[in-house]
Amino acid sequence: SQTIHQWPATLVQPVGSPLSLECTVEGTSNPNLYWYRQAAGRGLQLLFYSVGIGQISSEVPQNLSASRPQDRQFILSSKKLLLSDSGFYLCACLRAQGEKLFFGSGTQLSVL
Amino acid sequence: QQQVKQSPQSLIVQKGGISIINCAYENTAFDYFPWYQQFPGKGPALLIAIRPDVSEKKEGRFTISFNKSAKQFSLHIMDSQPGDSATYFCAAHPGGNQFYFGTGTSLTVIP
Repeated sequence: SQTIHQWPATLVQPVGSPLSLECTVEGTSNPNLYWYRQAAGRGLQLLFYSVGIGQISSEVPQNLSASRPQDRQFILSSKKLLLSDSGFYLCACLRAQGEKLFFGSGTQLSVL
Repeated sequence: QQQVKQSPQSLIVQKGGISIINCAYENTAFDYFPWYQQFPGKGPALLIAIRPDVSEKKEGRFTISFNKSAKQFSLHIMDSQPGDSATYFCAAHPGGNQFYFGTGTSLTVIP
């Protein structure tokens, strides 16, 4: 079964600073990878998904970007963080031809 | 437009009682319906899932009831325990890349 590594677990960043969150997956090849954001006490907002290396689909226009430099690596970035970027960021993985979506442990980002 | 509508937003149940969370959808292309359980500060964990060709699926104290004609499905937690206190999300998957999530239900089980 696959394992999703997400780090860091918590992050406090000042407004205007850059961001890089990394997600790596083990135990599967050519997965679909996803970035979700969850505001406190709220639902899951899909930010980006990727079906392969270099292939990124953006669901919500915003201050963030995503990249997939390797098959099992998905990176979420920002050049300048806004207060509204605060939230709980989750990486998720769907095996090729699969139907079960698995989530990582998440990164709690606080922008101050 | 919310593809999957989930209710209630929050639920308080006595220990030993039955917790029921409901979801409804419109898109008949959905063919896989998972439920996720999320504890504070953790990622959602896949709890149980069902396909529309069955009306019920049970795993331990957790049961999904599925009504294809009504386009509704629900999660039942029997003998609810304080350790079940968490946020529950329903979802629908039409195949391919997309998953559509409900807005979540915060369940509190009081001793």
